[in-house]
Amino acid sequence: GAVVSQHPSRVICKSGTSVKIECRSLDFQATTMFWYRQFPKQSLMLMATSNEGSKATYEQGVEKDKFLINHASLTLSTLTVTSAHPEDSSFYICSALQTSGRISSYNEQFFGPGTRLTVL
Amino acid sequence: AQKITQTQPGMFVQEKEAVTLDCTYDTSDQSYGLFWYKQPSSGEMIFLIYQGSYDEQNATEGRYSLNFQKARKSANLVISASQLGDSAMYFCAMREVNTPLVFGKGTRLSVIA
Repeated sequence: GAVVSQHPSRVICKSGTSVKIECRSLDFQATTMFWYRQFPKQSLMLMATSNEGSKATYEQGVEKDKFLINHASLTLSTLTVTSAHPEDSSFYICSALQTSGRISSYNEQFFGPGTRLTVL
Repeated sequence: AQKITQTQPGMFVQEKEAVTLDCTYDTSDQSYGLFWYKQPSSGEMIFLIYQGSYDEQNATEGRYSLNFQKARKSANLVISASQLGDSAMYFCAMREVNTPLVFGKGTRLSVIA
């Protein structure tokens, strides 16, 4: 299957700092990427949909000014947690769609290994 | 409303036995896909099996099979011959056309030796 990488895999930062997480599709082009957040012992919750060359679409309740998403190329999307606070500590997972254009139910989303963010 | 419902927070199964993890879904679309993922403690999401809404046969992938009952809107995962390495969180997910994957709350499976 297609490979998606995330960097860093783990980050610890002080409250008030900003953290950037990178998501790369290594062997395919992804016009659409998704960012999920997972709190301990909970499910994955979609934060936003990122389309190459356009603004991200955020889910209800997700602050777009706090979670900045940039999808500047067909293989890279970044999530920046600005002015991070302890409540932002979570597991962040990106996912990339292998095919471009309209999302069909048959397309497969490939997941990155996740980034564990701890804000002190 | 919940799109994906997994009613079993935790399940135990004896090694080498089969286990069924329940999943029901809610959609008014005719075209959709159903997925199961395994998430070990490392956190990575491992794709297990896929069932399309128009597929007439139940999907199978090695020891995994999906018991698809369209009229009941259920997509249960069956794991045969359980192994200790199967202990993990299991998520059922659905994708409707033009929407990203939506996940259920998950079931934690523990395989006992």
